[in-house]
Amino acid sequence: QVQLQESGPGLVKPSETLSLSCAVSGHSVSSAYFWGWIRQSPGKGLEWIGSIYNTGTTYYNPSLQSRVTISVDMSKNQFSLNLRSVTAADTAIYYCAGKIAVALRVSFDDWGQGALVTVSS
Amino acid sequence: NFILTQPHSVSESPGKTVTISCTRSSGRIGSNYVQWFHQRPGSSPTTVIYDDDQRPSGVPDRFSGSIDSSSNSASLTISGLKTEDEGDYYCQSYDDSNHVIFGGGTQLTVL
Repeated sequence: QVQLQESGPGLVKPSETLSLSCAVSGHSVSSAYFWGWIRQSPGKGLEWIGSIYNTGTTYYNPSLQSRVTISVDMSKNQFSLNLRSVTAADTAIYYCAGKIAVALRVSFDDWGQGALVTVSS
Repeated sequence: NFILTQPHSVSESPGKTVTISCTRSSGRIGSNYVQWFHQRPGSSPTTVIYDDDQRPSGVPDRFSGSIDSSSNSASLTISGLKTEDEGDYYCQSYDDSNHVIFGGGTQLTVL
């Protein structure tokens, strides 16, 4: 069974770049259908950030698109999130997630435990 | 793009049945599959319904999903409520550009 684990700084300064990695175990990162990132601000709902498919194609939330990059590192069997020019509004729990098997639906079957990132000086 | 609207909260007694709605603002509800996630405090979301009405293995048959084209909405019904069913429930769909869309979430209280 695939397992996902987020890692990265828990505190980021305003205007800097938030960088998180998601280590994948139990499956090759290159052969899954797609991977993605979702965040949840304190006391709020789920917000999709973006996804990267096994073709290398990326899709981003239009509200974040200008600041987001998602990439895959096959050598480390992980994928990553970079969110630039952060503000306090980017404080949230960040989840990595994935869908291993190809299917018609666009949804996430496997989730990491989440990583809290606080934006503060 | 479209939004998915859910009630903010619902509550019901143990053993009863509750239904949570998820209304799509534009486009047909049946155009793209709907999933339902359950999230307990401090935990990651888990899938309870996928492809509108399918249950993952391990999810009890007390959980059922459906879509209604007349109201352009999806519904999650939980029967025989248990205290362990408490938490937040999110519907989720996507658009034709593979953009993932979550509903705002519904807090279920079993009291």
